[in-house]
Amino acid sequence: NAGVMQNPRHLVRRRGQEARLRCSPMKGHSHVYWYRQLPEEGLKFMVYLQKENIIDESGMPKERFSAEFPKEGPSILRIQQVVRGDSAAYFCASSPLHMPQETQYFGPGTRLLVL
Amino acid sequence: DQQVKQNSPSLSVQEGRISILNCDYTNSMFDYFLWYKKYPAEGPTFLISISSIKDKNEDGRFTVFLNKSAKHLSLHIVPSQPGDSAVYFCAASGPGGGADGLTFGKGTHLIIQP
Repeated sequence: NAGVMQNPRHLVRRRGQEARLRCSPMKGHSHVYWYRQLPEEGLKFMVYLQKENIIDESGMPKERFSAEFPKEGPSILRIQQVVRGDSAAYFCASSPLHMPQETQYFGPGTRLLVL
Repeated sequence: DQQVKQNSPSLSVQEGRISILNCDYTNSMFDYFLWYKKYPAEGPTFLISISSIKDKNEDGRFTVFLNKSAKHLSLHIVPSQPGDSAVYFCAASGPGGGADGLTFGKGTHLIIQP
């Protein structure tokens, strides 16, 4: 049973370009979460999605960032007009349910570097 | 305002001894706590969790203790092994705490010395 998959593992972009990060949850998981980790920091929650629905985006910056989880295919985190401060590791996690005490399982992350 | 705090950025322990990693939280609404282990260039790996209705949960070499009155939890690893060297994150969730995501501490880098 494959775990959470993320691609690309590394992404380099110049300022002003767009970054697209993809996440495929574990088989049987329909809940996806995106987190960002800045250097020397813990992971910070960004957004929680179910298929075709954004449930909670309270942790996501209001501008330039968007996320989707279409009916078919992976979840996408999109960052438009990237700036140097967007350089970070972006992790996706999934869970089978969204219960109050449900464990989230993480992918290997995408390391974004903005030049 | 950090709701989950890991005050020790690093901890060095001799192989075979006990490793104790600490975590404090401020939000009394948190009711579920997890520990994740992370190697460089990899994603966090789930280790062990505990619900607020318990004060201890054990899984092999790993035991998590929860002291709700002190808003403190700890992870004990015994005996410590070289493969345990990694960054350990404490995370919490609960109604009204960190929205629908987990709230993480900044991590403790555990170094197991031979």
